[in-house]
Amino acid sequence: DQQVKQNSPSLSVQEGRISILNCDYTNSMFDYFLWYKKYPAEGPTFLISISSIKDKNEDGRFTVFLNKSAKHLSLHIVPSQPGDSAVYFCAAKNAGNMLTFGGGTRLMVKP
Amino acid sequence: KAGVTQTPRYLIKTRGQQVTLSCSPISGHRSVSWYQQTPGQGLQFLFEYFSETQRNKGNFPGRFSGRQFSNSRSEMNVSTLELGDSALYLCASSLLAGQGGEKLFFGSGTQLSVL
Repeated sequence: DQQVKQNSPSLSVQEGRISILNCDYTNSMFDYFLWYKKYPAEGPTFLISISSIKDKNEDGRFTVFLNKSAKHLSLHIVPSQPGDSAVYFCAAKNAGNMLTFGGGTRLMVKP
Repeated sequence: KAGVTQTPRYLIKTRGQQVTLSCSPISGHRSVSWYQQTPGQGLQFLFEYFSETQRNKGNFPGRFSGRQFSNSRSEMNVSTLELGDSALYLCASSLLAGQGGEKLFFGSGTQLSVL
């Protein structure tokens, strides 16, 4: 049973446009949500997080939105740059430092 | 400040052998977690240690074990290796015990291939 799902395995956008990556979860006990960026054969790099008591968090070009009633979160990247091309994982926390990851979305930003 | 260091970077073993992977967290970090990444199962939590105590354990068989030393360095061990254990094993460190939205910092991983 996948508690965190990223239903789009890949996404392609044009440089300068907005990238929207989506994530759904089922466990209402998750209290924090995080987004990580990952390149092949490397560890994930933290991007941005949001508490379950908030609905938006912004950091530069990255904004995360949380809709608790829908159990849905999204990561917006504006404007998208070719260097943003990577696999993006959403993750959720509910106990200590145990993260439950989604399956990832491969983002390709075309110049 | 040095990041999370994992050794070795690559490892090739044969079925039935055992393997030990090492992780040195960021200086001052006391929590170390281990994750397995495979193409089929994605990133899955193995276990977490804080102050030398295992705090959480994922859904993996007993062949997977770990420990943490007093200097916060951690090792994980896989015994009786199976082909399906081939994966990227990632270690993550965190300053505290996980209260709040504290971020985890990941190492580059150990790529294990079981032949």
